[in-house]
Amino acid sequence: NAGVMQNPRHLVRRRGQEARLRCSPMKGHSHVYWYRQLPEEGLKFMVYLQKENIIDESGMPKERFSAEFPKEGPSILRIQQVVRGDSAAYFCASSPPGHHYEQYFGPGTRLTVT
Amino acid sequence: GQQVMQIPQYQHVQEGEDFTTYCNSSTTLSNIQWYKQRPGGHPVFLIQLVKSGEVKKQKRLTFQFGEAKKNSSLHITATQTTDVGTYFCAGMNYGGATNKLIFGTGTLLAVQP
Repeated sequence: NAGVMQNPRHLVRRRGQEARLRCSPMKGHSHVYWYRQLPEEGLKFMVYLQKENIIDESGMPKERFSAEFPKEGPSILRIQQVVRGDSAAYFCASSPPGHHYEQYFGPGTRLTVT
Repeated sequence: GQQVMQIPQYQHVQEGEDFTTYCNSSTTLSNIQWYKQRPGGHPVFLIQLVKSGEVKKQKRLTFQFGEAKKNSSLHITATQTTDVGTYFCAGMNYGGATNKLIFGTGTLLAVQP
């Protein structure tokens, strides 16, 4: 059973470009969570999704950030017009039905904005 | 908003010494999870505590959930170099509407051989 998969593992973007981060949950998991980790800091919740639904986006910045989890395919975190402050590690986690507290993390995407 | 603080921020020990990190929430938690993150790695789920006063052990690791469900601790006996990493607690709000985890600030453990 493959774990949570994220790609790319490393992403470099110039200021103003778009960043698109992908996450495939573990098999059988229907809940996906995105977290951001700034250097030397803890993880901050961004958004919680189920298939085709955003359940909680209270941690998402109001502008430039969006997330989706379509019926088919991976979950996507999209950052438009990136700025240097967006440089961080973005982790995706998934949980099995009925065990939402047991979140399994992917390897993360390390975004660098130059 | 809710805050989850951990102390200490950093701990340096000699191999074989014990280590403890403490986690304190500003609000009552329904449960608490502990994760370990190696440098450059991703958080790895260690354990979940649910009941007030619960104590769980995993080999050299002992996890405890406070009676008021607002604090927790992780104790490592006789540390080894493989224990190096940052330990995060993560809580879920009691009566919360969604399943988001609020992560603590983390404790970075360094073990000198």
